[in-house]
Amino acid sequence: EAQVTQNPRYLITVTGKKLTVTCSQNMNHEYMSWYRQDPGLGLRQIYYSMNVEVTDKGDVPEGYKVSRKEKRNFPLILESPSPNQTSLYFCASSFRGPQYNSPLHFGNGTRLTVT
Amino acid sequence: EDKVVQSPLSLVVHEGDTVTLNCSYEVTNFRSLLWYKQEKKAPTFLFMLTSSGIEKKSGRLSSILDKKELFSILNITATQTGDSAIYLCAIGSSNTGKLIFGQGTTLQVKP
Repeated sequence: EAQVTQNPRYLITVTGKKLTVTCSQNMNHEYMSWYRQDPGLGLRQIYYSMNVEVTDKGDVPEGYKVSRKEKRNFPLILESPSPNQTSLYFCASSFRGPQYNSPLHFGNGTRLTVT
Repeated sequence: EDKVVQSPLSLVVHEGDTVTLNCSYEVTNFRSLLWYKQEKKAPTFLFMLTSSGIEKKSGRLSSILDKKELFSILNITATQTGDSAIYLCAIGSSNTGKLIFGQGTTLQVKP
């Protein structure tokens, strides 16, 4: 089944403790992206990747890192999480990027709480 | 700065009503406008619009784009309780990999 898989689904952590949220897709998509969703603010793009070893900042990249060493994986790294990073995170992928009219396929989300 | 504004932010209707959701945008190098439906979890794709005046339709849902006035509408006719969701509008740029979302419209359909 074609899908985008995020792990974990839920995560509670403390300020400053490094964490990684994994994202994997099995559709051979070139484009992958991370979003955070907060009430009243919609989905805001954190980072995106047009292909292996190519990553770019979205609108809210501060406090986050990503890597794209393989086509299928796009982990999101929080080196020193803070409470303002408490949010619902979505990973998404598409065959190519938005500029090529490729709709995104979303993972089921990771709800992160930083205390 | 590119931005997408949806209205209304929330809406409560009864089954059988028709609703119209709005999405206006400002973006340099417009490429596409997309509508997504989000229920409990992941957003799911509804429509992609790239040309003005061409209606996209899927069952009771339809959408149209006006590139001159920079907006799109999503219509849902004969609403059902299963239409209750957040409806998201997003804009794709032709020269970057950014996909910018609006705040979403929360629709509640009461029996």
